[in-house]
Amino acid sequence: DAGVIQSPRHEVTEMGQEVTLRCKPISGHDYLFWYRQTMMRGLELLIYFNNNVPIDDSGMPEDRFSAKMPNASFSTLKIQPSEPRDSAVYFCASRNFAGRTGELFFGEGSRLTVL
Amino acid sequence: AQKVTQAQTEISVVEKEDVTLDCVYETRDTTYYLFWYKQPPSGELVFLIRRNSFDEQNEISGRYSWNFQKSTSSFNFTITASQVVDSAVYFCALSEAKTSGSRLTFGEGTQLTVNP
Repeated sequence: DAGVIQSPRHEVTEMGQEVTLRCKPISGHDYLFWYRQTMMRGLELLIYFNNNVPIDDSGMPEDRFSAKMPNASFSTLKIQPSEPRDSAVYFCASRNFAGRTGELFFGEGSRLTVL
Repeated sequence: AQKVTQAQTEISVVEKEDVTLDCVYETRDTTYYLFWYKQPPSGELVFLIRRNSFDEQNEISGRYSWNFQKSTSSFNFTITASQVVDSAVYFCALSEAKTSGSRLTFGEGTQLTVNP
């Protein structure tokens, strides 16, 4: 089985540009999460979905950030306009609620650099 | 509010030494879950273990063992006979049952370096 797939792996952009990060969760998983990792703040939960519905977006830093999950196999995290302080590694993760251990399966991350 | 503290920012050991990574947590819930994740230099986060708050049995998996003590709100992780491949950042995390175990709060992480 393929794991969680994220794209792009690396993105360098200039301040003010729109950034779209993509995620394909593991097939059959009904929860999808977006996390951000920075040196200053560590790993933070931004938003998570259950059956494609956003459940908790309280971690989304501001209106410049938006996330969608149009179907069970695809999610996007968009930043518009981007700012240098958005530079971070963004992780997507998925899980199956019925899973025995409840573990999250993480993608390899998208490293974003905003100049 | 829940909180996870990993007081050790960095640990450096020589191969074959045993090493313990500390994790202390805070939560008001009586039912919660504790996790350890490994982040190797390649960057991905790898699940190691999950414990339920009502199961205080220690667990051993090969060279890895975990000591869960509710009385001290600690969930420590020991690597026996460490190897260079164990070099990574290790994260302890907590989630509360009321969120169906979905909202993970991570500690700051401990950077473990195992030198040959």
